[in-house]
Amino acid sequence: QKEVEQNSGPLSVPEGAIASLNCTYSDRGSQSFFWYRQYSGKSPELIMSIYSNGDKEDGRFTAQLNKASQYVSLLIRDSQPSDSATYLCAPASKIIFGSGTRLSIRP
Amino acid sequence: DGGITQSPKYLFRKEGQNVTLSCEQNLNHDAMYWYRQDPGQGLRLIYYSQIVNDFQKGDIAEGYSVSREKKESFPLTVTSAQKNPTAFYLCASSIASTRNSPLHFGNGTRLTVT
Repeated sequence: QKEVEQNSGPLSVPEGAIASLNCTYSDRGSQSFFWYRQYSGKSPELIMSIYSNGDKEDGRFTAQLNKASQYVSLLIRDSQPSDSATYLCAPASKIIFGSGTRLSIRP
Repeated sequence: DGGITQSPKYLFRKEGQNVTLSCEQNLNHDAMYWYRQDPGQGLRLIYYSQIVNDFQKGDIAEGYSVSREKKESFPLTVTSAQKNPTAFYLCASSIASTRNSPLHFGNGTRLTVT
């Protein structure tokens, strides 16, 4: 079992809808997570961090951490074509990444 | 502006040649990392360094070598022993290698070996 698992996608979402990206992890010791966005051919950039159980909102993005169920999710409201990218989940205390979910926003 | 600079952006080499990828940061970060990314795949850790003159192997270190003689610099050498060197190489840095410190990435070097 991989330490961090993500559905590779592609996940296709209509413009204006909510995109929901999920990540499950196996190490119960992981307390915090980062979400990175990677555009095709570019390097990853940090978009969200979540350090405690529950929800964290930042603009159109909401990160959710559920330690009991060992999953972390990223919601993108009012999806825009510019949100089309691969989203990588990473435990904050480690230097590994999930394989990423490719998100495509269709007009 | 602070950041991480990788050079060159594109690199072409013949099979059997060693090649060195440059990574320089002016963020005053202690930790630096090298990742490899193949098309449609995630990031795989090659080497990382938490402090000058010290580095550790990642998951796919075979065929690669690194040095960390200065805090700002962490060059990666792809040797002829690396069987499939063609890939996108990403260098990153962080304040510390653990404890909630996000990674900052350079723009990457795309290596093609023929």
